[in-house]
Formats: sequence, C-alpha cells, structure tokens
Amino acid sequence: GENVEQHPSTLSVQEGDSAVIKCTYSDSASNYFPWYKQELGKRPQLIIDIRSNVGEKKDQRIAVTLNKTAKHFSLHITETQPEDSAVYFCAASKGDDKIIFGKGTRLHILP
Amino acid sequence: ETGVTQTPRHLVMGMTNKKSLKCEQHLGHNAMYWYKQSAKKPLELMFVYSLEERVENNSVPSRFSPECPNSSHLFLHLHTLQPEDSALYLCASSQQQVGTYEQYFGPGTRLTVT
Repeated sequence: GENVEQHPSTLSVQEGDSAVIKCTYSDSASNYFPWYKQELGKRPQLIIDIRSNVGEKKDQRIAVTLNKTAKHFSLHITETQPEDSAVYFCAASKGDDKIIFGKGTRLHILP
Repeated sequence: ETGVTQTPRHLVMGMTNKKSLKCEQHLGHNAMYWYKQSAKKPLELMFVYSLEERVENNSVPSRFSPECPNSSHLFLHLHTLQPEDSALYLCASSQQQVGTYEQYFGPGTRLTVT
C-alpha cells in the first residue's frame, strides 16, 4: 500500500523567512496530494492541494510543487507570519482509494 | 464552524466503562471517517463509511465499535479500553469516499482512559 514520509518533524524559522516541508510517497499511481494545517487545539483544514497533471500550484504565500519522477512533493511558505505556526500534514491518494497522511511537521515561527 | 460536530468534546472513562462518541455532519456528504490522533501516530485512520456501509477497518481492536445509522451520523462505541487508547478522536466527512475529495474534520473528542 501507499506510504507517505514527511520531513522534518519539527521546523523553526524566523518570522519573514521561508519554510519548506517535504514529503515522499511510494505508490506511483497516486495522483492527488493535499496539505492540511492544524493549529493548536483546532481541527485539521485543507490549505492547498495539487494533482498529478500539474507541477506547481500557488495560493498567495503558499505553494506546492510536485516531482512525479522522484515521487516527492513539497510545501513552501514565504514571508512567514506568526499565524503560520501549526502542524502541517501532507497526504497522498490515488483517487479510487483512501487518503494516506504523513506524520506531520510542527512549524514554529520565531519572533 | 458547524459543518462537522462531535460530542462530547472531552471524556474521561475507566477501563471497565462503556461510552460512545458521536459525530454529525451537516454538509450532505456521503463518506464519514474516524481518526485517532496521538503523539505517536498523528493521523491514524480507523474506520471509513461510505453511504452507511463500512468500507475500511484498519486493524482496529474490537474494543472500538463503529456505527453509521445514516449518512449524517457516525458513532464510535467504546468498551474495555486501555490507557494507551487515550488520544484525540477526530471524525471527518467528505463528499465521496474516494481520496480526491477534501476531508472536513470535526473538533475532536479528547479521550482519557484511567
């Protein structure tokens, strides 16, 4: 079955700097890659997703890139702000199957 | 947010107790899920229901028993739990059961087993 690895498990960046979180997946048939954000004490929420027919997708300060050949995808957050502090989960799915989540990255934005 | 609600929000139970967690979704979705969230396994899928039929059971111990009486309601019945079952239990729903639909999570039930 699909396996999703996520790195790093914890990341601290200075406010205003960029943050990058990386994930790899094992099943080359996977074609949908969402990212969820979970703020402290709150529920996970979808922030951005990408499908396998696209290499990059942007939404304001966040972007996701996908490398199908290498089977990895990354979340990029630019000009980080205190409200970006949260746990971020990557996930992969091959459409007709369940979604598999990574183990999460705890992002700390330092003042 | 009222899309997916869960009750109770906090639960403390002894190992011999029987309790139930309730989830309700007001989004008209066809699929509902139970996840366990702990420090060891941040988002561990337990059960998946699609149109009230269980389609996934991820080797969950029988002390957890799900029930889906209709597409809007999902229960998790608990009995004879162990301390290691203490965790946040998240319910989620999606439009369809396939993985390419956004999952909408509830606020969770924080369970402590004493």
